[in-house]
Amino acid sequence: GAVVSQHPSWVICKSGTSVKIECRSLDFQATTMFWYRQFPKQSLMLMATSNEGSKATYEQGVEKDKFLINHASLTLSTLTVTSAHPEDSSFYICSVLAVGNTIYFGEGSWLTVV
Amino acid sequence: GQQLNQSPQSMFIQEGEDVSMNCTSSSIFNTWLWYKQDPGEGPVLLIALYKAGELTSNGRLTAQFGITRKDSFLNISASIPSDVGIYFCAGQLTTSGTYKYIFGTGTRLKVLA
Repeated sequence: GAVVSQHPSWVICKSGTSVKIECRSLDFQATTMFWYRQFPKQSLMLMATSNEGSKATYEQGVEKDKFLINHASLTLSTLTVTSAHPEDSSFYICSVLAVGNTIYFGEGSWLTVV
Repeated sequence: GQQLNQSPQSMFIQEGEDVSMNCTSSSIFNTWLWYKQDPGEGPVLLIALYKAGELTSNGRLTAQFGITRKDSFLNISASIPSDVGIYFCAGQLTTSGTYKYIFGTGTRLKVLA
């Protein structure tokens, strides 16, 4: 069964609005989660590392005020895309750091900004 | 962002053939992971490697952690149509006490029946 659940699977929003994507660890407590962005036919690009109870660590070039990450519990991290624009349209995927240095991915969330 | 060099970028093979793909980097990794991603879905873990030289199998899949810790390969034997998808390698390193995973550029596999 799924180890990581991501919601929603897809969302369409109007330009200028904010969208929240949830990532839940189902089988274990996760102190570290990762958020990725993937463009069509491209690899996964790490956006930020989400640490439970502390501020997320953002990769260079990722606007922390635009992509708000909250990891308030050991099973839930959220990514909020604020003031979304069409160029933010993408496939967003979260992953959870598990034992043995392995990471398990959620199903991904398609965001379309119109 | 950082990425690993993964090759080949794409492959068209006949059903039953063996497949080989690899990842190389200038960085030393502590762990290598191999994933398969189907269209519109999140990647699924295939094999995890933890030690230089380690050779691990998962059914028809075999992967090895390079001796230099800068490379890894994945082999698929006797391919079948459901092997179609995108395969990604990922290297794990620790920087400033935090875990970081860098992904390869992906290998797109198509299997012709």
